[in-house]
Amino acid sequence: GQNIDQPTEMTATEGAIVQINCTYQTSGFNGLFWYQQHAGEAPTFLSYNVLDGLEEKGRFSSFLSRSKGYSYLLLKELQMKDSASYLCAVRDGSNDYKLSFGAGTTVTVRA
Amino acid sequence: DVKVTQSSRYLVKRTGEKVFLECVQDMDHENMFWYRQDPGLGLRLIYFSYDVKMKEKGDIPEGYSVSREKKERFSLILESASTNQTSMYLCASSSSTSGHGYTFGSGTRLTVV
Repeated sequence: GQNIDQPTEMTATEGAIVQINCTYQTSGFNGLFWYQQHAGEAPTFLSYNVLDGLEEKGRFSSFLSRSKGYSYLLLKELQMKDSASYLCAVRDGSNDYKLSFGAGTTVTVRA
Repeated sequence: DVKVTQSSRYLVKRTGEKVFLECVQDMDHENMFWYRQDPGLGLRLIYFSYDVKMKEKGDIPEGYSVSREKKERFSLILESASTNQTSMYLCASSSSTSGHGYTFGSGTRLTVV
């Protein structure tokens, strides 16, 4: 099985930067995903890392270190609409299509 | 716009009832999944399917069954609903050739009383 850990809650100020860490212990690995989920809505895809390094996409960046079993999602220039839950998910290398999820990190952006 | 559609947004059922949650996707995806989401526990996989008439148990299949008679439709069945099955249920689909993970439905919030 998979063990995926991320902080429960984070709070930051509008315009600031927040980094959400995710650590995982898995029997196999074939990619790490970040999803954003606003309250009462479905999760939506943010980023995908399968190789080590940083993937940048506008205000959001995601980093992966496979040797350390570690990823982070970086949110820059925070806006009020970024208040949401952020889910880290790992694709098990032994099964290419199934994702295992962390419990999610609730980010609150304050004015 | 591609979509995963769950038939009900909110549902209230009585203990012991048989409950059907329906999910339909229009993306011709091979893979479909049912998760439940509970505070502090995240998304937990109930069942999944990689092809028509095929199903595999996830991490918490007890008390649930599924049906996939057509590629676009994946149904979750609660054989005899219990109060501990009160939860948010999320359906998702994915392509076997896509690296971008899942597309989720909007979820069904089920309350069993």
